[in-house]
Amino acid sequence: DTGVSQDPRHKITKRGQNVTFRCDPISEHNRLYWYRQTLGQGPEFLTYFQNEAQLEKSRLLSDRFSAERPKGSFSTLEIQRTEQGDSAMYLCASSLLRGGHNIQYFGAGTRLSVL
Amino acid sequence: TQLLEQSPQFLSIQEGENLTVYCNSSSVFSSLQWYRQEPGEGPVLLVTVVTGGEVKKLKRLTFQFGDARKDSSLHITAAQPGDTGLYLCAGAVSGGSNYKLTFGKGTLLTVNP
Repeated sequence: DTGVSQDPRHKITKRGQNVTFRCDPISEHNRLYWYRQTLGQGPEFLTYFQNEAQLEKSRLLSDRFSAERPKGSFSTLEIQRTEQGDSAMYLCASSLLRGGHNIQYFGAGTRLSVL
Repeated sequence: TQLLEQSPQFLSIQEGENLTVYCNSSSVFSSLQWYRQEPGEGPVLLVTVVTGGEVKKLKRLTFQFGDARKDSSLHITAAQPGDTGLYLCAGAVSGGSNYKLTFGKGTLLTVNP
């Protein structure tokens, strides 16, 4: 079990640029989530995949954000035309529904700074 | 309005002291998780509680889920500097989507040597 892996760990970009983050979930987990965490806050749900299907998107996910999980394994989160307000920690989590409960395990996150 | 209210928001104590962190809501949760997060890292799962009234122990940490599954507490005995971190509670609302976790803002604990 290698855990949830996220890449890159840190990203600094200029306003208006596009960025893409990658998440590799725990191998047997069919559910994958993206969260965003800003300073002083707990993580906030962005979107969720079951296998390759994106089943829910938060209203926090503007049309500049897109997430994919093409083969039901790794996922990417792209932010187009970044804004300073996009600066945050982007967290990925994965889970396997077991016994009716859904325990999520998190990666180390990607820290985005938009200058 | 925060769905999950954690208190206190900040806590600074001396090594060896005991402490309790609270997580409260007006909503019923099907399960509740406690995570610890260190600066620049993702949350690390400590425990999951699913049954009202459940008590779980993890070394010096004791977790309790309220009878009505609306609240939870984390008690640390004889705190050590290695316990320093952000403690987050998160739950899946009962009757809602069982995949979406709602987090509290966290309790930032500092244990001074």
